[in-house]
Formats: sequence, C-alpha cells, structure tokens
Amino acid sequence: KQEVTQIPAALSVPEGENLVLNCSFTDSAIYNLQWFRQDPGKGLTSLLLIQSSQREQTSGRLNASLDKSSGRSTLYIAASQPGDSATYLCAVPTSGSRLTFGEGTQLTVNP
Amino acid sequence: GAVVSQHPSRVICKSGTSVKIECRSLDFQATTMFWYRQFPKKSLMLMATSNEGSKATYEQGVEKDKFLINHASLTLSTLTVTSAHPEDSSFYICSARDGRADGELFFGEGSRLTVL
Repeated sequence: KQEVTQIPAALSVPEGENLVLNCSFTDSAIYNLQWFRQDPGKGLTSLLLIQSSQREQTSGRLNASLDKSSGRSTLYIAASQPGDSATYLCAVPTSGSRLTFGEGTQLTVNP
Repeated sequence: GAVVSQHPSRVICKSGTSVKIECRSLDFQATTMFWYRQFPKKSLMLMATSNEGSKATYEQGVEKDKFLINHASLTLSTLTVTSAHPEDSSFYICSARDGRADGELFFGEGSRLTVL
C-alpha cells in the first residue's frame, strides 16, 4: 500500500526566505507526482506535475524535483512571499488513477 | 490550466434531508472524476471514482447508498448525500483528469456541507 509522508507538518518563515518542502513515498513504482496548494476552505490548485521520466519541473519561483529510486520529492520555493502561505500537498497515483496524498505542509510566510 | 467547478460552495441542511453537489469540467471532457472528503486539518480521502456512463467505484468503507454518484455526461458528475446526518458534515472536493490517464489532475473549489 502506497504511503505518502510530508515533512515538516508546519513551517513558518520570514518573507524572502528560500525554503524546501519534502515528500516521501513508499512505493517507487509511480508514473508521476503532483504538488498542490490548498488555501483555507478552498479546493486544490495544481502547482507542478512531474512525470517519472523527469527529474524536475519549474514554474516561476517553484521548483519540484523527483527521485523515484529513493522515493522522494522536494518542492523548492524561492524568495517566499506572504501570499505563498497555504498548505502544500504532494500526491502520487495509485491503482486506477487514484491519488494518494500526503498530510500536507502548512506554510506561513511572515511579512 | 483546466477548470473544474463545484456547486454549491457551501450548503447547510437539516438532518435527514438529501444534498446534491455538482462537479463540472468547464473546458475539457472528463471520462473519470473523483470525489474526495476532507476532515479539518487532514488530507484528502478518496471516496469514489465516477465513471461516465457506468456505475461509480467506491472505496472500502464508503457507503454507496448514502453517497450516490451519477456521472451522466462527460462534463458533469454529481454527489448526493442522502439522509444526511451531522457526521456527514465535511468538505467534499471533486477532481477530474484532463486527457490521458497519467495527465494532470485538477480539483474543484470544494463544497462545505454542514448538517444540523
């Protein structure tokens, strides 16, 4: 059974700091990994999708890496801003196109 | 990116009534949609996979008679919470995949159900 773990559970940083969120998964036989952002009381916004053949994906100040063999992914946020405050979730597909989610990292960027 | 719309965003109902939540893919066709439930400060729990034109596939422990799913078209799936009880109060989120089975998954804004 695929299990996804995210560390840390919560993170508070001052504005402008670069930060890394971690995601690990137990079954490395995945074909992609997706990072999402969730604001309080809202749905999920897709940030980055990394296919298994890729090692990283970039979108603006976000960079996600994937190391299938070690079962790890990181989300790097450069020059963090208060608007980046949200919960960040990583997810990997399991059987039947379902996604297994981590518990999320709650990020607070202080002005 | 693709857009998935959910309606209503918030609903309050009395115990014993039924509530329908709609999930629409606005700019793409989705043969498969997924319904999730999220408890406060918890991650998403998959409830069921909604397949266009066929019966939904429910996850273990999810009552199919309580959570009725209909996927009548390529752009619309509905979740009906029947005979709702306070313990059904939760945040329900749908998602749909754009195109390929290994494509990106897009989520609706979620629906907050409160059962009094």
